[in-house]
Amino acid sequence: EAQVTQNPRYLITVTGKKLTVTCSQNMNHEYMSWYRQDPGLGLRQIYYSMNVEVTDKGDVPEGYKVSRKEKRNFPLILESPSPNQTSLYFCASSFGQGGGYTFGSGTRLTVV
Amino acid sequence: DAKTTQPPSMDCAEGRAANLPCNHSTISGNEYVYWYRQIHSQGPQYIIHGLKNNETNEMASLIITEDRKSSTLILPHATLRDTAVYYCIVRVAPGGTSYGKLTFGQGTILTVHP
Repeated sequence: EAQVTQNPRYLITVTGKKLTVTCSQNMNHEYMSWYRQDPGLGLRQIYYSMNVEVTDKGDVPEGYKVSRKEKRNFPLILESPSPNQTSLYFCASSFGQGGGYTFGSGTRLTVV
Repeated sequence: DAKTTQPPSMDCAEGRAANLPCNHSTISGNEYVYWYRQIHSQGPQYIIHGLKNNETNEMASLIITEDRKSSTLILPHATLRDTAVYYCIVRVAPGGTSYGKLTFGQGTILTVHP
């Protein structure tokens, strides 16, 4: 089944403890992206990647890192999480020649 | 990126057509109109996209005005499961330098009632 898989689905962590949210797609998509969703602020793009080793900032990149060493994987790294990064995170992927993004099921992160 | 304007909420009776409008008066010639929806806190779901011609797929139809300043998403026979937030987004064409960028607005909350 064609899908975008995020792990974990739920995560509670403490301030300052580095964490990684993984994202993998099995559709051979060139583009991948991360979003966060917060009440009243909607969906905001964090980073996106056009292909292996090519990434660019979205609207809210501060406090996040990404890497694209393989086409199928696009992990989101929080080097020093803070409570304001408590949010619902979505990973997505798409072809580079049209069509929409396919989204994962989300990761609900709580930083205490 | 061009911005879009959508009504915050709409209602529709089950079985009737749901027509969701979107204004994108500053859209550029190389920008497409995309529609997504999000049911509760699930990941957004791609519905349809178009440049200037009307488009139809198994989920919906997209009508884009001739001047491309507005569009309408049509769900021909709405069901209760179509209750969701619907987002209209403008996105540069494939190959554009910011093709990967996707900016969501607040969307329209569509409520389908029995």
